[in-house]
Amino acid sequence: HVQLQESSPGLVKPSETLSLTCTVSGDSLSSHYWTWIRQPPGKGLEWIGNIHVSENTNYNPSLMSRVTISIDTSKNQFSLKLNSVTAADTALYYCAGGLGWSADYWGQGTLVTVSS
Amino acid sequence: EIVLTQSPGTLSLSPGERATLSCRASQSVISNYLAWYQQKPGQAPRLLIDDASSRATGIPDRFSGSGSGTDFTLTISRLEPEDFAVYYCQQCANSPLTFGGGTKVEIK
Repeated sequence: HVQLQESSPGLVKPSETLSLTCTVSGDSLSSHYWTWIRQPPGKGLEWIGNIHVSENTNYNPSLMSRVTISIDTSKNQFSLKLNSVTAADTALYYCAGGLGWSADYWGQGTLVTVSS
Repeated sequence: EIVLTQSPGTLSLSPGERATLSCRASQSVISNYLAWYQQKPGQAPRLLIDDASSRATGIPDRFSGSGSGTDFTLTISRLEPEDFAVYYCQQCANSPLTFGGGTKVEIK
């Protein structure tokens, strides 16, 4: 049974970098795609990007200039960095994973608020 | 980028009724790589249907998916009280992956 848990940075100041880590338990990172998705309060879902253990990554073009997704197989973790954040980046951030590009398993989500 | 349009925005139904949710894509979804998710308040989304019509593990058979190309449908044959939620479609064929805006199924 695969479980995902996001770290919880909580509050990030405008123009700074949002950093999140997702710890995977119950399976190795191999053979899966690992994804970050966000949801602004009261709104719909936005796909941020994904990564495979081969380190092949795909990003949403709307965020590509600011986002980096990385993977650490030794810790069974993958991470998200989003720089130069603004209030528009305030959202519930989910990590997710699956054998294909769909999200079979999800973390519980972590709320990140961008505010000074 | 493939734009997904879900309709209706809100569906008001009673328990026991049939729900039909639509997801239309701006261009053909290759190999019907279309997923459906259910999200309840305060919870993460849950995968219901993958590849347009394959139920995910543990999903009751009252949920079914159909369609191909640009038109897809999620059907809930008889609504149970726990089915009232928001439903999203997602195309998983082309990067960037995209979600529809969601359909809220509410109790009438």
